[in-house]
Amino acid sequence: DVVLTQTPVSLLISLGGQASISCRSSQSLVHSNGNTYLHWYLQKPGQSPQLLIYQVSNRFSGIPDRFSGSGSGTDFTLKISRVEPEDLGVYYCLQRTHNPNTFGAGTKLELK
Amino acid sequence: QVQLTESGPGLVHPSETLSLTCTVSGFSLTGYSVYWVRQPSGKGLEWMGRMRYNGDTSYNSALKSRLSISRDTSKNQVFLKMNSLQTDDTGTYYCTRDLGDWGQGVMVTVSS
Repeated sequence: DVVLTQTPVSLLISLGGQASISCRSSQSLVHSNGNTYLHWYLQKPGQSPQLLIYQVSNRFSGIPDRFSGSGSGTDFTLKISRVEPEDLGVYYCLQRTHNPNTFGAGTKLELK
Repeated sequence: QVQLTESGPGLVHPSETLSLTCTVSGFSLTGYSVYWVRQPSGKGLEWMGRMRYNGDTSYNSALKSRLSISRDTSKNQVFLKMNSLQTDDTGTYYCTRDLGDWGQGVMVTVSS
């Protein structure tokens, strides 16, 4: 199975600051159709996960442009600029290129 | 409006079988795939398996021997059955449409 390694495990950020989360895959996430199915989620405390970014860099409906995704192949990054209180929680990457799909272990974003 | 609602027993005894139902509205099961994701208490997300729009299924290799996902399109329901439950199967179980829209989750405790 594909292993996704997220770093860091936790992140202390000041309000208004910038956060960067890395997700590295044990194998290329480029599908045979040419697409890369790497997505990012945020799980706020007590809530279901919500999709932020799909296919590396596309923001899901309603997601502000403070969230941006980048990367290719096996290395991907989620950046959150101008961090707000509602951004706190655990961020997960997910790959859907290979079966079974797999999640990263998560990165907890907390306020400094 | 897309809705997914998980239901099932809150308590299951060790070695017994878990049966969960995901009832959906606002979309057709023949047009979208439904996934099951679980979250052991205090831990990260685990992809369990998928019922594709065409009726095909895929499973997490670690759970494959004891997991089954099926559906009844006439009732707009997707079912999860997992046997030989142990205490580390305790957690919240989610169903999700194409990993974009999520249900609220159902808490399952495995205990004697």
